[in-house]
Amino acid sequence: AQSVAQPEDQVNVAEGNPLTVKCTYSVSGNPYLFWYVQYPNRGLQFLLKYITGDNLVKGSYGFEAEFNKSQTSFHLKKPSALVSDSALYFCAVRAKLVANNLFFGTGTRLTVIP
Amino acid sequence: SQTIHQWPATLVQPVGSPLSLECTVEGTSNPNLYWYRQAAGRGLQLLFYSVGIGQISSEVPQNLSASRPQDRQFILSSKKLLLSDSGFYLCAWRTPTVQLYGYTFGSGTRLTVV
Repeated sequence: AQSVAQPEDQVNVAEGNPLTVKCTYSVSGNPYLFWYVQYPNRGLQFLLKYITGDNLVKGSYGFEAEFNKSQTSFHLKKPSALVSDSALYFCAVRAKLVANNLFFGTGTRLTVIP
Repeated sequence: SQTIHQWPATLVQPVGSPLSLECTVEGTSNPNLYWYRQAAGRGLQLLFYSVGIGQISSEVPQNLSASRPQDRQFILSSKKLLLSDSGFYLCAWRTPTVQLYGYTFGSGTRLTVV
């Protein structure tokens, strides 16, 4: 079975500081991992993905994520947070045996404090 | 280019009234289509998905139903709304090769049942 966990409901960080939003996963086979961002009253927007290759994946808006197979983690990072990064972030993993659907974590609300 | 349209953006309906939310995709063929519900700005609950015309899979037994009358059209319906049906409804699509594109989400419908 596949699952994805976002252990933090809320992350607060000061503007200009580095940020990390955590995600761990459980999946059989090779993991396909995704990060999405949601702004208020909007649909989710794709940020980045890991399918294969380099463990460090770079995505939109200066975000990056590090795939760690031994720790089954895919944490989202940014070196310097902006107030405009405040949003709800979702990690997702592919469910190979369920029509290749994506399973989403419960979301982490990031607040960047000016 | 591929686009996804979801309407209406907001909807206020009385308890017991019917519901019809529509989602259409342009610029692609044979997409996988999804309906999600999001309560209180948090996690995503997968309601239905479809891998082809007339093929609907339901993830959660509930007061809602879905139909796919055309390749790029996905409709969420209810005969009689309940208060608990209130929430933010999101439509999404993907190509069969999920590893390339992940999901693309519509802008959502805010449903309030009164």
